[in-house]
Formats: sequence, C-alpha cells, structure tokens
Amino acid sequence: NAGVTQTPKFQVLKTGQSMTLQCAQDMNHEYMSWYRQDPGMGLRLIHYSVGAGITDQGEVPNGYNVSRSTTEDFPLRLLSAAPSQTSVYFCASSPTGEQHYGYTFGSGTRLTVV
Amino acid sequence: KNQVEQSPQSLIILEGKNCTLQCNYTVSPFSNLRWYKQDTGRGPVSLTIMTFSENTKSNGRYTATLDADTKQSSLHITASQLSDSASYICVVSDGSNDYKLSFGAGTTVTVRA
Repeated sequence: NAGVTQTPKFQVLKTGQSMTLQCAQDMNHEYMSWYRQDPGMGLRLIHYSVGAGITDQGEVPNGYNVSRSTTEDFPLRLLSAAPSQTSVYFCASSPTGEQHYGYTFGSGTRLTVV
Repeated sequence: KNQVEQSPQSLIILEGKNCTLQCNYTVSPFSNLRWYKQDTGRGPVSLTIMTFSENTKSNGRYTATLDADTKQSSLHITASQLSDSASYICVVSDGSNDYKLSFGAGTTVTVRA
C-alpha cells in the first residue's frame, strides 16, 4: 500500500513551458485535491475532485488544469509556467471530505520556474 | 474571509521539555479543527481532529484543546523528542463545504539535544 504517490519530486521549468504533475493513490479514495504551499502561507487549494469524471476549482485555479479519468489518478497540468508558480505542490486524498477522515498527503513536488 | 492565525511562527526547545502552540481562527460557522504535523520535505500528517463539542483530544504526547467560544485552539507537546522537530499546521473547516478548508501557515518547532 503506497498511499499517495507524487512524481516528479523536483522540477525546474522555463517560463512558458508546460508540464504535468502526477498524483496516484491506491486506497480507492473518492476525493482528491491539489494544494500549493508557499513560504509563510497556509496551503491553498488549486483544484479538487470528488470522484472520477468530476472536478472543481479551488481558491487559486488560474494557470492550472486537472482531469480525473480514473479513481486512482489526478494529474495537475501547468499550461504555461510562470515564475509565480514556483512552489511546493501537494496532492491529497480522502475517502470523502477531509473533515471526516482527514487527508493523506503525498510527499510533494518542488517546482521552480525560471 | 476565513482566517487561521498560528503563533509563534517558530520556536526552539530542549529535548524533554514541553511546549504549546496556538491557533486562532475566524472561520464561521465552525465545523471542526485539525492539527497536522509536517516533517521537512514531506506532506502533512494528521495528528488530531476536534469538533465544536470537543474540548480536548490526545494522540500520544500531543494534546490539542479547543475553545469554540473564543475560537482558539492549542497543541501541547509533552516531553519533546528530536523527532518532534517539524512544522505544525492548524486547519479549520466551516462545514459548508467538505472540500474548502482554511490552513494556518504553521509553527516550526525545533527540538535540540
């Protein structure tokens, strides 16, 4: 049981490049979400999904796309990277909402945009 | 806007000593409050969760308290160990939406031998 797996762990992009951050969970959790963590700030929700085929925007969705074709996978796509997207990205999953079971977080992807 | 403020921003304690972290929130209505521990380079891990009807919750050497009237919570670490060095994050839910939470910026605890 691997939990929540994020890849890559580190990534450097040039401004304007696109890329996909991968997130996979093997716990059959319905709910998955993406957060970004910046110094001195709390985690901020980018996008979330309550099940396969269903996604919705969070607090800071601009510049990011998501899809949820399977229960297991929830990739985050950066359309055209900008220096403001330099951050640590966390994927989280839960059987339902966080308030009932809490999140299981991945180990994060540290992204630098130059 | 719902806010969660944590204090202090960071602290250093000697191994074996106790410490208390604070969390003040303006989230309303209130549903539950959770404390997470985040080790360096890792994702957060849940320590405790409390609903509005609970005053205290323990998890080993970690004890969380909640005063829903004053909208304050604290996390007490007893007999600290080197492995307690981490960031501790307070998360509050308003219950209106399971999926939109308010995160504090965290308190970084360093335990020294």
